Amino acid sequence: FILTQPHSVSGSPGKTVTISCTGSSGNIATNYVQWYQQRPGSAPTTVVFGDYQRPSGVPDRFSGSIDRASNSASLTISGLKTEDEADYYCQSADGSTWVFGGGTKLTVL
Amino acid sequence: QVQLVESGGGLVKSGGSLRLSCSASGFTFRDHYMTWIRQAPGRGLEWISYISGSGTFKNVADSVKGRFTVSRNNAKTSLYLQMNNLRAEDTAIYHCARVASGEADVGADLWGQGIMVTVSS
Repeated sequence: FILTQPHSVSGSPGKTVTISCTGSSGNIATNYVQWYQQRPGSAPTTVVFGDYQRPSGVPDRFSGSIDRASNSASLTISGLKTEDEADYYCQSADGSTWVFGGGTKLTVL
Repeated sequence: QVQLVESGGGLVKSGGSLRLSCSASGFTFRDHYMTWIRQAPGRGLEWISYISGSGTFKNVADSVKGRFTVSRNNAKTSLYLQMNNLRAEDTAIYHCARVASGEADVGADLWGQGIMVTVSS
C-alpha cells in the first residue's frame, strides 16, 4: 500500500492550496488519514489527525478531507502565511502497519 | 507541560546496539498508544513501531523486525526502543510520538524533538 503525494506545491500569501494524498489500492476511507507538518530543521508536528481533527493550537486554516471517489485524502491550507512553508506528510494504515506518503514541499511565494 | 523528550542516541558501530528512551510528561501516559518514527538524512518519515497503552499489543515495521523491540514503563511514563544488530541504513533521527487515542490507527498528535542515531560501517 503506497500513499502518493505531489513532490511540491506553491501558493501566494493569503491564497489557498491543497495537497493530495492518493492511495495505491483499496479504500483510503477505511483507515484514518493524518497530516504532519515539518518546517526546515524542526521536528514534525501534527496538523490533522483522524481524517479531519486538529490538535489544539492548530488554526482552522488547516483542514483535512477524504474523497472516496478518487481514493484520496487532501490537506487544504487557506489564508497562506509564510510560516506555512514546510514539508507535509500524509500518513495512514495498511492493516496494522503505518504508511507515510513521500512528502510534499510547500513553497509560499 | 505536555512533552516528549528522547534520549540515548549517539554513534555506534555496525552490528552494535543502542537503547532509546522517551520520557513523557503532562498527560496520562497509560491511556495512549505510543510510536517510534524515524527520518534518515534528507529522506521522508518512516514508521518503526507502536505499542499499546498497557504494553500488550505491539507492532514493528518489516525493515526492523527481529532487530528492534519496543517497550514501555507506565510507572516511569517512559517509552523505549531497543535496537540491536544496527546497520548503516538505520542512521536517522528517531522521534517518539503519542498516538491521539487509545487505538493505534488515529495517528500521532504529539511529537518529541528527536534523537540522532548514527551507525558507522
